[in-house]
This record gives sequence, structure tokens and C-alpha cells, in this order.
Amino acid sequence: GQQVMQIPQYQHVQEGEDFTTYCNSSTTLSNIQWYKQRPGGHPVFLIQLVKSGEVKKQKRLTFQFGEAKKNSSLHITATQTTDVGTYFCAGSRYSGDSNYQLIWGAGTKLIIKP
Amino acid sequence: EAQVTQNPRYLITVTGKKLTVTCSQNMNHEYMSWYRQDPGLGLRQIYYSMNVEVTDKGDVPEGYKVSRKEKRNFPLILESPSPNQTSLYFCASSLSWLAGAYEQYFGPGTRLTVT
Repeated sequence: GQQVMQIPQYQHVQEGEDFTTYCNSSTTLSNIQWYKQRPGGHPVFLIQLVKSGEVKKQKRLTFQFGEAKKNSSLHITATQTTDVGTYFCAGSRYSGDSNYQLIWGAGTKLIIKP
Repeated sequence: EAQVTQNPRYLITVTGKKLTVTCSQNMNHEYMSWYRQDPGLGLRQIYYSMNVEVTDKGDVPEGYKVSRKEKRNFPLILESPSPNQTSLYFCASSLSWLAGAYEQYFGPGTRLTVT
């Protein structure tokens, strides 16, 4: 079963409002990646966070990695119609023998209210 | 242009009729994988390959086969498709799988319907 919980499943916002999605892992992660999937499209890489407590910004998007490297968040300020889509987190966890396992959250769908 | 290609993009088939979905990448990536995406379940990994001739099961491998005879190609084979394999399938590749995860590049997806 999934070991990275992502909430909420959906978020409806008015254009101009903020949006946040959260990912929580039951185990410590080596790093975490974030992807965006536009409607009808494929997931596209946004960013990777590696360090404990790391914060990165991309214009209106702010990504955080928790101090314990078990949780992460993506915050979008003043949403625009171009932000519509589903946002996924994917945590990387060491599974032995130089192997890493990528564990995906179920995604948060951002919907802009008309 | 660096890309991952999949074919076909859409496929409607009947139960039990063997099919293959092709995946090819032109970035000389070592790591390739297949995912299925179903509503509310996110992306679930079917199989992955760390390099040529090295493949392993992901989270939902039942009913699927893969092969990696060349670095650039990673076909997904459904020997006897069933309706519960109706889904959206994505192939992805990344530079490597050593020392942690690298950015995944996804193909455009294959929407499969099994009746």
C-alpha cells in the first residue's frame, strides 16, 4: 500500500487564492520530488528537495522539506488558471543494495472555481 | 529533442488478446519504468529496469511482462489482458538509480481499454 500520504485529494480555489498540498511519509526519505500533471497530460518534474528543512521557490511556488525528512509541502500563492492540474509528490527511500525506492503520493487536484 | 515516446497512444482491445505497448527514450538513460494511473490511486509502478537485461517487479506486476534488450527500449507486454487492466499507462526514464532518485521523464501515456 501507499506509504506516502498526500492531502487533500482535491482543492477548489478561486483564482487568486492560495493552494497548498501536503505529503507525509511513515519513514525517513532520502529526498522528495514534486511533479505536475496538466489535464490530459503526463507528469512533469518540478523540483527535488534533498536537505532537511530545505525550502525552494519557483516564482509563486514554494516547496518545503521537513526537518525530519518525513514530510513536504507545496504552496502556490495567488493561483492562476495555468496552475490547474494534479500535483504529485514522490519520496525516495533507500531500500538496500544501493537501491532506492520511489514512493508516490496519490496526488492533489487543483481546481479553479469559475 | 530529449523525449520518451510511447505507442500506441490509445488502444481498445478484447479480453485475452495479447498486446504490447512500446516505450523508447533517446536520452541514454539507464533507468526505465512503467506506471499505471487510476483515479484516486495516483501512479503505481508496474515494473522497472535499472539497466539492460536488469528488470524487477514494482508494486503491481501481476498480468504484465517487460523486457530490456536494448538501453533505449522498454516494452510492456500484456499476455492475456483483462478488464481490470483498463487504465492509463506511463513509461518513464531517468538518468540512473544509484545514489538516490533522479528526475523522471514521462512519456505521453497510453490509454488502454480492455472489454
